[in-house]
Amino acid sequence: DAGVIQSPRHEVTEMGQEVTLRCKPISGHDYLFWYRQTMMRGLELLIYFNNNVPIDDSGMPEDRFSAKMPNASFSTLKIQPSEPRDSAVYFCASSLAGRDTEAFFGQGTRLTVV
Amino acid sequence: KQEVTQIPAALSVPEGENLVLNCSFTDSAIYNLQWFRQDPGKGLTSLLLIQSSQREQTSGRLNASLDKSSGRSTLYIAASQPGDSATYLCAVKGDQGGSEKLVFGKGMKLTVNP
Repeated sequence: DAGVIQSPRHEVTEMGQEVTLRCKPISGHDYLFWYRQTMMRGLELLIYFNNNVPIDDSGMPEDRFSAKMPNASFSTLKIQPSEPRDSAVYFCASSLAGRDTEAFFGQGTRLTVV
Repeated sequence: KQEVTQIPAALSVPEGENLVLNCSFTDSAIYNLQWFRQDPGKGLTSLLLIQSSQREQTSGRLNASLDKSSGRSTLYIAASQPGDSATYLCAVKGDQGGSEKLVFGKGMKLTVNP
């Protein structure tokens, strides 16, 4: 398997624009996670899915953020409208079910909102 | 609320030294603790996972220990090499009714000088 694949790797957008980040998890994995990494706050969990169903979105900062997982091989994180404070690296990760399974991370999308 | 701390935030050492990286967490009710490595501009790579019932795990020159009752873990790197230069993060998975959340520390940036 090619691992968790995220696109785009880099995104520069103007404030107010809609941004969509994409993720393809490892085939067969049951869980998908979206994280955000900043220097100030480190890695924060935004939302995670189990078998395509959102389980916990308590980390989603505002209504401007939304995430979907229409099928087992694809998820999106959308920010509308984007703001400069959304600038960060966004990671997607996936894992098998089970309490002692490892999480596998994608390479991340570096988002810059100007 | 679980909090994970890694001190110091950065460390610079000469090649060949044996290193100890520290991680502490506030809530001892955990399923496991994981150590990750992050290279600049890359995603996270899982290094070691220690289950709550285990005391330590080893992989090559890496050894991680866990003292759940005191809320501490250490990652030991033997005979450090320049290729070990990276940011090391620890994360805990809480024992919270099946939650799959990983709570991360902010990481420790390691530089090994030749």
